[in-house]
Amino acid sequence: GAVVSQHPSRVICKSGTSVKIECRSLDFQATTMFWYRQFPKQSLMLMATSNEGSKATYEQGVEKDKFLINHASLTLSTLTVTSAHPEDSSFYICSARDSGLSSYNEQFFGPGTRLTVL
Amino acid sequence: QKEVEQDPGPLSVPEGAIVSLNCTYSNSAFQYFMWYRQYSRKGPELLMYTYSSGNKEDGRFTAQVDKSSKYISLFIRDSQPSDSATYLCAMTYYPTSGTYKYIFGTGTRLKVLA
Repeated sequence: GAVVSQHPSRVICKSGTSVKIECRSLDFQATTMFWYRQFPKQSLMLMATSNEGSKATYEQGVEKDKFLINHASLTLSTLTVTSAHPEDSSFYICSARDSGLSSYNEQFFGPGTRLTVL
Repeated sequence: QKEVEQDPGPLSVPEGAIVSLNCTYSNSAFQYFMWYRQYSRKGPELLMYTYSSGNKEDGRFTAQVDKSSKYISLFIRDSQPSDSATYLCAMTYYPTSGTYKYIFGTGTRLKVLA
């Protein structure tokens, strides 16, 4: 089955530093990947849609200069949280659509990255 | 009004019970309906998806869609403690401009007691 990995699974950093999170589709190509944020006991909130070879599309209210997204290949998208602050602490989850599937609906989710900013 | 409403629970049931999880929605443009299961500190995994009104079965799970009432359900038969998780409904549609939208419910926390 389609597998999406994320690295790291957990990161703790000091306020003001930048953190990069990687999302990889392991056995399929993904022209589109999605980045979500999830606070405790809340649902997934879409932050941005990442398209291979082009700029990401950010949802309203998400600062593109703070959350940098790079989708450099068909299997890798990265999210960089720049100048992280404690309020950025959250669970970040990526998902990927299999470019080869006819159904455009199915997204395969990564295991998530828990970010804690001290 | 949120586009998708889902009772966050928690919902506690005894082992073997039939569980009913529900979502309502307001946008009649939604075309596809999904149910995801998310264990604590893990990413969601797709359980079922459907695009038409009616029922779809897969093992102990049944997804039901009523487009006229804008209401979807997930039924779990013979519930097991391993079913304890958060269940999220999700829906998609194509807006008139841009890429398709994928909207999640808030998720319902389910606990099946042994």
